[in-house]
Amino acid sequence: DAMVIQNPRYQVTQFGKPVTLSCSQTLNHNVMYWYQQKSSQAPKLLFHYYDKDFNNEADTPDNFQSRRPNTSFCFLDIRSPGLGDAAMYLCATSREGHRQETQYFGPGTRLLVL
Amino acid sequence: DAKTTQPTSMDCAEGRAANLPCNHSTISGNEYVYWYRQIHSQGPQYIIHGLKNNETNEMASLIITEDRKSSTLILPHATLRDTAVYYCIVSLMYSGGGADGLTFGKGTHLIIQP
Repeated sequence: DAMVIQNPRYQVTQFGKPVTLSCSQTLNHNVMYWYQQKSSQAPKLLFHYYDKDFNNEADTPDNFQSRRPNTSFCFLDIRSPGLGDAAMYLCATSREGHRQETQYFGPGTRLLVL
Repeated sequence: DAKTTQPTSMDCAEGRAANLPCNHSTISGNEYVYWYRQIHSQGPQYIIHGLKNNETNEMASLIITEDRKSSTLILPHATLRDTAVYYCIVSLMYSGGGADGLTFGKGTHLIIQP
């Protein structure tokens, strides 16, 4: 029944070592989002894909990139993780991206940077 | 998007109704009120949304004041599993520019007491 799947739930990486987080969806939704949630803070949107069109938030660091090879999968790449990038990373989907639509979130991947 | 103000935390006894307030005094006519919640270590979950009229679904009721400057989320019979951070989000009905993510505020940490 899982609709938005994120693996792994916990990821440990080393300072400066590239890391990729994965998200897949079974909803066939057009839009996929990535949010970053630091400890005791609210989720913050990093970027989203509308189909194959990538949309970056203005304040998302260049260190963060994303790929969407097909409708079902979306990846978050952190090129050179710093200690400040330790956070929960949440993937979400919506059908067409209209704000009145529900967004469906995955369980998140908690990233630890050593 | 209009800014929202919520209490930082609230307690509620199990079995009682939990009433969570949200102020959105700068809301504009085409902005919806959304509620999401986030249980510890999980992704946010959609609860309900509305524009002007009160709304009810299987999870909760949403009461919006006539001037739309505030709203209340009501969980009619709170259980321990309702302990979570509840986010009130005000957002345009349709941005017109394609997909948009959610802008989360600090939310209310609701604690259901046994």
